[in-house]
Amino acid sequence: SQQGEEDPQALSIQEGENATMNCSYKTSINNLQWYRQNSGRGLVHLILIRSNEREKHSGRLRVTLDTSKKSSSLLITASRAADTASYFCATVPGDAGNMLTFGGGTRLMVKP
Amino acid sequence: GAGVSQSPRYKVAKRGQDVALRCDPISGHVSLFWYQQALGQGPEFLTYFQNEAQLDKSGLPSDRFFAERPEGSVSTLKIQRTQQEDSAVYLCASSLVPVGRDGYTFGSGTRLTVV
Repeated sequence: SQQGEEDPQALSIQEGENATMNCSYKTSINNLQWYRQNSGRGLVHLILIRSNEREKHSGRLRVTLDTSKKSSSLLITASRAADTASYFCATVPGDAGNMLTFGGGTRLMVKP
Repeated sequence: GAGVSQSPRYKVAKRGQDVALRCDPISGHVSLFWYQQALGQGPEFLTYFQNEAQLDKSGLPSDRFFAERPEGSVSTLKIQRTQQEDSAVYLCASSLVPVGRDGYTFGSGTRLTVV
């Protein structure tokens, strides 16, 4: 079973526009991570935000976390065609659990 | 090596055949994970090793699935008597620290097709 649910499932935008993806989860977490997956490839770690953080930036990426709503968002600013990929949020449980639990992903297409 | 290496990249198996999938994690990485990813879905957890110890195998879907990491480095995921529902991409990930406190490095996966 998957912990998180991404919204929307698919997103199509023009190059230069911003892309926002949302993630909701069910149980308490230690941290939440975002990954990118290009077609037919493995996942690439983008950013990690801990449960006591509210916002984090990395280059054109901005991640927010609202633990009261059990939700996170990933914003990609000034998107490029190369950003076309699937984006997954994944959570690490707040207890002694070890594994990442992934959501179903958002498929982003950036049109040149 | 510089990254997590998985082999083979693609595997076609006839139903009922046994398969073995290999994962070479980043040298020195303590934690190693196996995930199964069906087409259009997110990865689903299968099993977790810390060094050579298999600490969690709760995600293995049946007793036909078996994983090992005998010397705490290379890991093998074995699937016996493959079924069509086993068709998926099998991803391996490793991490320097245990317990998910940092991002994982994933391999490119093995795409298994059972015919």
